[in-house]
Amino acid sequence: DGGITQSPKYLFRKEGQNVTLSCEQNLNHDAMYWYRQDPGQGLRLIYYSQIVNDFQKGDIAEGYSVSREKKESFPLTVTSAQKNPTAFYLCASSILLQGTQYFGPGTRLLVL
Amino acid sequence: RKEVEQDPGPFNVPEGATVAFNCTYSNSASQSFFWYRQDCRKEPKLLMSVYSSGNEDGRFTAQLNRASQYISLLIRDSKLSDSATYLCVVNTNTGNQFYFGTGTSLTVIP
Repeated sequence: DGGITQSPKYLFRKEGQNVTLSCEQNLNHDAMYWYRQDPGQGLRLIYYSQIVNDFQKGDIAEGYSVSREKKESFPLTVTSAQKNPTAFYLCASSILLQGTQYFGPGTRLLVL
Repeated sequence: RKEVEQDPGPFNVPEGATVAFNCTYSNSASQSFFWYRQDCRKEPKLLMSVYSSGNEDGRFTAQLNRASQYISLLIRDSKLSDSATYLCVVNTNTGNQFYFGTGTSLTVIP
């Protein structure tokens, strides 16, 4: 089955810890995105990538980092510099940068 | 001013009712418009794209009004399964970002 997978479904972070969220797609999409969703707010763009080995900051990139070493994979690291990381993180992909986006099931990050 | 604004609701309607949501956008250069559906604690899923001429998919009709910079979603004959949050999404096609509304909550009541 083609689609986007994210893991883990739930993630717990301790103070000062870096954690990495996985996003994989087998749709052969060029573009991939990371969003953060907080209650009562719309999705906010963290990072996006148009092609392998290239990525751009979104509106709220501070405290996050990404890599795009393979077309299928776009992992997001939440660093200790992100002071309010508790949120629902959604990964998406699209054929082209401005094409329709399809989302993975999301990862809920909680701080212990 | 937010790029995309939606009435958060909630809209509580009886089964079989017709309900409409509007979404306004601030950038007149916006080119692509979408409605997504998001169930509680799940990811958004594409409901329909919105075309300039308007488009229909079963009980769902989407309209675009460029002059007033809004898009609308009409749901006819509401079903219990339509209960969800509906997200309006806009892209300028000149930028590299999609802008999401905060969503409109719909509950269909038996």
